[in-house]
Amino acid sequence: GESVGLHLPTLSVQEGDNSIINCAYSNSASDYFIWYKQESGKGPQFIIDIRSNMDKRQGQRVTVLLNKTVKHLSLQIAATQPGDSAVYFCAENANDYKLSFGAGTTVTVRA
Amino acid sequence: GAGVSQSPSNKVTEKGKDVELRCDPISGHTALYWYRQSLGQGLEFLIYFQGNSAPDKSGLPSDRFSAERTGGSVSTLTIQRTQQEDSAVYLCASSTTGAGTEAFFGQGTRLTVV
Repeated sequence: GESVGLHLPTLSVQEGDNSIINCAYSNSASDYFIWYKQESGKGPQFIIDIRSNMDKRQGQRVTVLLNKTVKHLSLQIAATQPGDSAVYFCAENANDYKLSFGAGTTVTVRA
Repeated sequence: GAGVSQSPSNKVTEKGKDVELRCDPISGHTALYWYRQSLGQGLEFLIYFQGNSAPDKSGLPSDRFSAERTGGSVSTLTIQRTQQEDSAVYLCASSTTGAGTEAFFGQGTRLTVV
């Protein structure tokens, strides 16, 4: 079965608010995590990654938090914009190199 | 090219026919993945190529599925005797070295078996 999952399948957020997308993983050997964004009809697009020796990493308007104690990953999007509407996937990579994906969270931004 | 290129973008085929899906990875990337994405679902791993190593075929769902990578570059995913449950988007991704590196995805091939 899948080792990566999402807490919520959908998230509706008001434009301008912050979004938090959560992900739980079960493989304690996972040492690399990626968040991808997938817009309709397109392939997944890299957003941000984090390695297991870190607990926080920031990008442009996005922050990824990693809690290895509870095997939890989150993606925070600041000042959510309409263009952020998409499906977000977390993926984990253990030392066997395969990226394992969860089912994804659909984010809808309300104007 | 600038990114991962997949062709065709859409394919409709009759049940029982064979199909070939093509992936052109980013130049210089040694690792290449194939994933399958059913409607509203996550990505299901199919197969992984890394350089000249034997591919990891552990995700192929049946012996009707096969893939090859010629010259360490272009890859072809072949589905024989297609079934309706094979309908999905087939995504290809490449990365510089594989483990612990970002994978870049193509746009995918939407396969519909009728």
